[in-house]
Amino acid sequence: AQSVTQLDSHVSVSEGTPVLLRCNYSSSYSPSLFWYVQHPNKGLQLLLKYTSAATLVKGINGFEAEFKKSETSFHLTKPSAHMSDAAEYFCVVTLNRDDKIIFGKGTRLHILP
Amino acid sequence: EAQVTQNPRYLITVTGKKLTVTCSQNMNHEYMSWYRQDPGLGLRQIYYSMNVEVTDKGDVPEGYKVSRKEKRNFPLILESPSPNQTSLYFCASTLSRSYNEQFFGPGTRLTVL
Repeated sequence: AQSVTQLDSHVSVSEGTPVLLRCNYSSSYSPSLFWYVQHPNKGLQLLLKYTSAATLVKGINGFEAEFKKSETSFHLTKPSAHMSDAAEYFCVVTLNRDDKIIFGKGTRLHILP
Repeated sequence: EAQVTQNPRYLITVTGKKLTVTCSQNMNHEYMSWYRQDPGLGLRQIYYSMNVEVTDKGDVPEGYKVSRKEKRNFPLILESPSPNQTSLYFCASTLSRSYNEQFFGPGTRLTVL
């Protein structure tokens, strides 16, 4: 069965320090992987996506993610956190074999001054 | 401006009173979805549609109906709402199939008393 696991429900980092949000997936078929961000009282916005091209994907606002097939992971990173990064982040898996879209349960990122 | 619109944005209703949440997109997208977002559960897909007159169940379809008579519109219908349908609802669209970026509406916060 397909699934996606975001390993931390909350992550707190100090402003200016690196961010790591972890995502693991389970899929029997070739997946496409996405990270979306949701700021308070807003809809979701795409940060970046992997669709079987380069394994290191760069997104908006300085975020990037690396697809590691051997580890079935797609962790989101940013070298230096900014206060405006405080939001909820969702890892999403879609399967190229069918049209299932599976969301992780989300990671809330807190930025400490 | 390319966008997905939802109406109403906020709705308080009572058990059993039929309601419809509208969703419209102006990007000529084929694929549209409805999600509900609940704390700790992330987003769960209710129904999706791959094109006009083609709809299919997502992970949590019970108690909901949808229709896709025109490409741009994808209304969500609750024939007899119940309190466990109190949630934040998002409509989303994407160009074709599920491995493209999804564009989300602003959300509809529904309370069923």
